[in-house]
Amino acid sequence: DQQVKQNSPSLSVQEGRISILNCDYTNSMFDYFLWYKKYPAEGPTFLISISSIKDKNEDGRFTVFLNKSAKHLSLHIVPSQPGDSAVYFCAASAGVEGAQKLVFGQGTRLTINP
Amino acid sequence: NAGVTQTPKFRVLKTGQSMTLLCAQDMNHEYMYWYRQDPGMGLRLIHYSVGEGTTAKGEVPDGYNVSRLKKQNFLLGLESAAPSQTSVYFCASGPSGRVYNEQFFGPGTRLTVL
Repeated sequence: DQQVKQNSPSLSVQEGRISILNCDYTNSMFDYFLWYKKYPAEGPTFLISISSIKDKNEDGRFTVFLNKSAKHLSLHIVPSQPGDSAVYFCAASAGVEGAQKLVFGQGTRLTINP
Repeated sequence: NAGVTQTPKFRVLKTGQSMTLLCAQDMNHEYMYWYRQDPGMGLRLIHYSVGEGTTAKGEVPDGYNVSRLKKQNFLLGLESAAPSQTSVYFCASGPSGRVYNEQFFGPGTRLTVL
């Protein structure tokens, strides 16, 4: 039972355009959502997060949108750059106390074409 | 600061052999985690620890044991390796005392069980 789903295994975008990565979740108890970026042979690195009390969080070229009623979040990258080519994971956690037990999606491989 | 380091980077085991994966962090984080990543499945939480001397089960704990004897180290043990444990293992750490926080990941250990 996949509680966090990224239905697009891959996405190809032209340099300078917008990249939109999508994520759906089923557990209504999730109240914190994160995006991680992963290059080959490296560990995931934190990119941006959003709590369930917000619907948007922006950090430079990266914006995460949360639609709680649809149980959907998306990551927008504008403008896309070649260095953005990586695998992107969305993750979710429930509860504010103690360790953050993250549930990850399957990942989306983003390729930025020059 | 080295951040989160993992030893070894690669390992090949035969079915039934045992081994220990070592994770070390120098950020004075209270929380530490072990995940495994399999193709098409994202990262799944194996075990985690909220402090020195404590451990708890995650989503997929069977076949693994962990110990947190020192705050900076978190060990993952496989007592009798099985081919189903072929995976990439990631360790992560995170601070306590905040409502929400991201996790910092190590570079991973690629384990193959023949």
